[in-house]
Amino acid sequence: EPEVTQTPSHQVTQMGQEVILRCVPISNHLYFYWYRQILGQKVEFLVSFYNNEISEKSEIFDDQFSVERPDGSNFTLKIRSTKLEDSAMYFCASSDSRTNTEAFFGQGTRLTVV
Amino acid sequence: KQEVTQIPAALSVPEGENLVLNCSFTDSAIYNLQWFRQDPGKGLTSLLLIQSSQREQTSGRLNASLDKSSGRSTLYIAASQPGDSATYLCAVKGTGANSKLTFGKGITLSVRP
Repeated sequence: EPEVTQTPSHQVTQMGQEVILRCVPISNHLYFYWYRQILGQKVEFLVSFYNNEISEKSEIFDDQFSVERPDGSNFTLKIRSTKLEDSAMYFCASSDSRTNTEAFFGQGTRLTVV
Repeated sequence: KQEVTQIPAALSVPEGENLVLNCSFTDSAIYNLQWFRQDPGKGLTSLLLIQSSQREQTSGRLNASLDKSSGRSTLYIAASQPGDSATYLCAVKGTGANSKLTFGKGITLSVRP
């Protein structure tokens, strides 16, 4: 069964460093998303991406963040100059709006900023 | 701004019990509603999707209903098993196929053998 794949599963980085979280969405999907979940809190939306551009972003998604679809399969989230409060589980999701728009999530990348 | 609430935060039941998990949302203008399961430290597994025009969806022992006008959804789990122990998240999609999902905080279910 097709699935969304995220790498790495866990990333530890020093405060101030840049990290890139990688995702391979389901191959025939058109819409891509990043969400994050700080420990003990709700899953919250960061950004959506369609047709090679951002279609919506949250207040969280400031200049520190960027997304890219560098090729036909990968979808990346870059976090520049990481802060302690960026520590969270980051989820990638994709959906195929031509059918029922069900969102499929990856297993997540746990980012720990020390 | 859409708000999704799931109460209670935690629930413990004996094995075999039928149970209902509730979800409420403040803005009835939604595209669809999705129920997810999350095991500790893991990703989100989609359980059921209900389109805004639908009233319910069923998958195996799970049945989800949607009352859009009152801003409520329920997830019914029949004959609960210890393997059902997990956190159950409700999420609503805003109007439009590309809209974001807004999540509730989830209900952590523990099914005792």
